[in-house]
Amino acid sequence: KAGVTQTPRYLIKTRGQQVTLSCSPISGHRSVSWYQQTPGQGLQFLFEYFSETQRNKGNFPGRFSGRQFSNSRSEMNVSTLELGDSALYLCASSPSTDTGELFFGEGSRLTVL
Amino acid sequence: ELKVEQNPLFLSMQEGKNYTIYCNYSTTSDRLYWYRQDPGKSLESLFVLLSNGAVKQEGRLMASLDTKARLSTLHITAAVHDPSATYFCAVGRAGGTSYGKLTFGQGTILTVHP
Repeated sequence: KAGVTQTPRYLIKTRGQQVTLSCSPISGHRSVSWYQQTPGQGLQFLFEYFSETQRNKGNFPGRFSGRQFSNSRSEMNVSTLELGDSALYLCASSPSTDTGELFFGEGSRLTVL
Repeated sequence: ELKVEQNPLFLSMQEGKNYTIYCNYSTTSDRLYWYRQDPGKSLESLFVLLSNGAVKQEGRLMASLDTKARLSTLHITAAVHDPSATYFCAVGRAGGTSYGKLTFGQGTILTVHP
């Protein structure tokens, strides 16, 4: 069974640009969550989607947005990039069973210059 | 606001000895998770603890949960071939509408010395 797939794995952008990251969950998983990981702030929850609906949102500015498609694939977008947006962005999927266990992808490492 | 604190944040281990990572959380929760992250890699799920008194073991790792004390512990027996890794605990609530929202601890960086 294929794991969570994130693309691209690495990308470099400049301030003011925007970026779109993609996540394909494990087959059959309907819940997709996004996290930002930085050395200073650690792992922080961005948002969660379930059946194409945003179910939870973390404490991030409106420049961060996401969506989920009918096949459960998800994208997140960051507009007007800032230097502080440099981070590893992790996507996780869940089968939405009672355990709530998340399965993480390899991440997309974004560098903003 | 839920807060999760781990200690210690750094652990230099000697082969064959036992160590413990503590994970405290601030509000009632019914689900606690332990993850491992190798350098430059993603998070690997180690344990899911769902009830008070839950204990799970896998090889040289053992995790337990005390919901009354809001405390989970991860016991590790170090082996010399263990690469450096960071261990995270995370707290969340499943069911309802919060499957994917976890609050993570700061992480504990482990290194093993012969």
